[in-house]
Amino acid sequence: DAKTTQPNSMESNEEEPVHLPCNHSTISGTDYIHWYRQLPSQGPEYVIHGLTSNVNNRMASLAIAEDRKSSTLILHRATLRDAAVYYCILRPYNNNDMRFGAGTRLTVKP
Amino acid sequence: SQTIHQWPATLVQPVGSPLSLECTVEGTSNPNLYWYRQAAGRGLQLLFYSVGIGQISSEVPQNLSASRPQDRQFILSSKKLLLSDSGFYLCAWSVLAGKYEQFFGPGTRLTVL
Repeated sequence: DAKTTQPNSMESNEEEPVHLPCNHSTISGTDYIHWYRQLPSQGPEYVIHGLTSNVNNRMASLAIAEDRKSSTLILHRATLRDAAVYYCILRPYNNNDMRFGAGTRLTVKP
Repeated sequence: SQTIHQWPATLVQPVGSPLSLECTVEGTSNPNLYWYRQAAGRGLQLLFYSVGIGQISSEVPQNLSASRPQDRQFILSSKKLLLSDSGFYLCAWSVLAGKYEQFFGPGTRLTVL
């Protein structure tokens, strides 16, 4: 299974942009890059996903490197409610499961 | 709109007792269903997934089992709980595999004493 590597923790100030990195050097051509986040005592919540091109939605932006070996989740203006564990996951196009790692714990300071 | 329910929200059980956790999905047909477990301070571990009624795939050998008696119902069971079964159990559904997102339920926090 393709693996991802994320920093254990990051800090941000409120209303500043946050760039959460993820390395996936063994990604295959058919792996989608998914991001989820988990608030305390809740189930994970889908954030965004992409294949090759950068993606934007109402929650975040996903920047994917040209060689696809890394990606960055961008929160444009962090709020206190964005404090969570963020998971970067690779999903083969025909696979049912997602392998969650330890993720990055984001702390947002007021 | 689709919703996913899990119950109970919290559960405290003695070692050796049986377990039954239930998950139901509303607003969609023939979903893929998943059971995950999260130990304290750890990432999620996929336990089982199902692509249809009566079809269960197990990812990790253990004393847990899963069943899908109806299209939108997924049950996680154990005949005898172990201390190591404590954790946060999450049910999820998706439309299809691969690029589609999974939607998670609120979870059940199980403590085995």
